[in-house]
Amino acid sequence: AQSVTQPDIHITVSEGASLELRCNYSYGATPYLFWYVQSPGQGLQLLLKYFSGDTLVQGIKGFEAEFKRSQSSFNLRKPSVHWSDAAEYFCAVGAYTGNQFYFGTGTSLTVIP
Amino acid sequence: GAVVSQHPSWVICKSGTSVKIECRSLDFQATTMFWYRQFPKQSLMLMATSNEGSKATYEQGVEKDKFLINHASLTLSTLTVTSAHPEDSSFYICSASAKNTEAFFGQGTRLTVV
Repeated sequence: AQSVTQPDIHITVSEGASLELRCNYSYGATPYLFWYVQSPGQGLQLLLKYFSGDTLVQGIKGFEAEFKRSQSSFNLRKPSVHWSDAAEYFCAVGAYTGNQFYFGTGTSLTVIP
Repeated sequence: GAVVSQHPSWVICKSGTSVKIECRSLDFQATTMFWYRQFPKQSLMLMATSNEGSKATYEQGVEKDKFLINHASLTLSTLTVTSAHPEDSSFYICSASAKNTEAFFGQGTRLTVV
């Protein structure tokens, strides 16, 4: 079955600290992996995506994610968090050719001064 | 990347009325569009898949008579919430893809039924 697990429902980090958001997936074909961010009341903004090539993917806003096939993981990282990064983060998996996406339940990030 | 536009971004309607949400692919022809729903503080769940010129395929538990989906052209799909009730209040998001290409998401529509 296709699924995405984000084990951490909520994470709190201090501004300037590093961040890692976990994502594990189960997918029956070659996965197309995404991280999206959603600010309160807003739509989804694509942070980064991975389908093939270098397993370390750079995204917008200083985020990066690493695809580890052996662990079925696609964790999101940022070396130094800014207060504006406080939001909900969703990991998603799908097929490249436009099939439906499966979303994780999201991780809510709080950034404290 | 390709642009998918949803309209309106937010809408408030009275209970019992119907509301239409549009999803447009601005710079490509979308052969397939997906409609998702997000309940407060929850993830996105697929409601239905629509292919241009065909009837939409609804996920289990989604009332097709309540959530009418039309995909009459390669650049437009609409979701109509009929006889809306407060429990239909949610965030609705579409995604669109051309044949054998990646999908792109709209910015979402927040529906509030009062």
